[in-house]
Amino acid sequence: DGGITQSPKYLFRKEGQNVTLSCEQNLNHDAMYWYRQDPGQGLRLIYYSQIVNDFQKGDIAEGYSVSREKKESFPLTVTSAQKNPTAFYLCASSILAGTYEQYFGPGTRLTVT
Amino acid sequence: SQQGEEDPQALSIQEGENATMNCSYKTSINNLQWYRQNSGRGLVHLILIRSNEREKHSGRLRVTLDTSKKSSSLLITASRAADTASYFCATDYSGYSTLTFGKGTMLLVSP
Repeated sequence: DGGITQSPKYLFRKEGQNVTLSCEQNLNHDAMYWYRQDPGQGLRLIYYSQIVNDFQKGDIAEGYSVSREKKESFPLTVTSAQKNPTAFYLCASSILAGTYEQYFGPGTRLTVT
Repeated sequence: SQQGEEDPQALSIQEGENATMNCSYKTSINNLQWYRQNSGRGLVHLILIRSNEREKHSGRLRVTLDTSKKSSSLLITASRAADTASYFCATDYSGYSTLTFGKGTMLLVSP
C-alpha cells in the first residue's frame, strides 16, 4: 500500500519547546516538501528537498529545520524560534521537483500554548 | 509573492448544479494543476494542464487554460454533496523548481 504518512495527526506542545513532525513515503519519490496551512492563507512552502542529503528553504523557513538522511524520510523540526507555530502542517512528495504532481500526507495539526 | 488567486473565495450551490472556480496567476508557467482538500485532510491531485493545452477533461471535471489572460478555470458538472471541499490551483512557474499554491475556493454543495 503505497503512500505518504505523517505522524502524529494532532500534536500539543508548550511554548519554548522544539517539536519534530514525521513524514515518510514509500513511493520512491526523489522530491519531498513541507507546507504550512493557516486559515485563509492557502499553502506556504517551508522547505523542500530534491534529493537525499540536500534541501532548500521555501518562502517561510525561519524557525524551522529539516533533514533528509534517507530517501523515504523528511522530518520537520519546529523550533522555539518560530513565532507563531500553531498551524496545520502538510508533507508532500513528487517523482522529481518542479513540474510533477504532488502526493500529500494527511497532515499534522500542531497546537502550541 | 507569486501566489495565484482563486475566485471566488467561497461558493455555495445545490446538488446537480455546475460549479466554476477560477485561478489567475502572475508570470509564465510550465503547467497548472488543480487539487482538492477535504476539511482537515491532505490535498489530492485532480488534474494537470500544460501551458500548450487549452482544455482538459477528467470525468465530471473540465479545466481550461488561457495563457494570454494568465487564468484557468475548473468546472465541476452535476455536482454532488461529496464534492464539498476546498479547491486549490497550483502553478509551476518557469524557472522555479516548486509549485505555488493559491489560497483556494471553498465549495459547499447542499443536498
